[in-house]
Amino acid sequence: GAVVSQHPSRVICKSGTSVKIECRSLDFQATTMFWYRQFPKQSLMLMATSNEGSKATYEQGVEKDKFLINHASLTLSTLTVTSAHPEDSSFYICSVKQGSTDTQYFGPGTRLTVL
Amino acid sequence: KQEVTQIPAALSVPEGENLVLNCSFTDSAIYNLQWFRQDPGKGLTSLLLIQSSQREQTSGRLNASLDKSSGRSTLYIAASQPGDSATYLCAVRRTGTALIFGKGTTLSVSS
Repeated sequence: GAVVSQHPSRVICKSGTSVKIECRSLDFQATTMFWYRQFPKQSLMLMATSNEGSKATYEQGVEKDKFLINHASLTLSTLTVTSAHPEDSSFYICSVKQGSTDTQYFGPGTRLTVL
Repeated sequence: KQEVTQIPAALSVPEGENLVLNCSFTDSAIYNLQWFRQDPGKGLTSLLLIQSSQREQTSGRLNASLDKSSGRSTLYIAASQPGDSATYLCAVRRTGTALIFGKGTTLSVSS
């Protein structure tokens, strides 16, 4: 299966600051990556679909100006949480879809804590 | 709107037991269904993927079935082991490639 990495694995920041999370596909080129968010004891919720070289598609209720997504290359997508607030504290997970199959491969996740 | 429900929310069993995890979905027009495992504070590991045209998939001690018409899937774990302790997530693929997840079943296997 595909290897997907995320950096950082854990980040603590002050309210009002911005945090960038990286998602890398290590062994194949991914034209599409997905960003999910998971609150404690809740399911993963899709935030946005990141397409290489074009604007991301955001799910209803997700603020595109707050959660900036950049997919500048076929192996890297970044999610920037701007002006973070405590309610943004969550587990953020990215995934990539391997073109030859329907399987999605997930990164290890990033735990964001906003103080 | 597609909704995915997993029952039970939590399950505790002694080592060696066979067990079944349930997943139901409201819209039967799915492309596929996938079962994942998530360890605490970790990402997801794909266990089994069932295409909409398939009835079941097997991998080692795991067997997943799909009844698309009734909107149900089950994950069968044979001879459970303490290392199986984790949260198991069911997800269905809707139009496009996004996955809709259930809340998961947290399994605890005691030795």
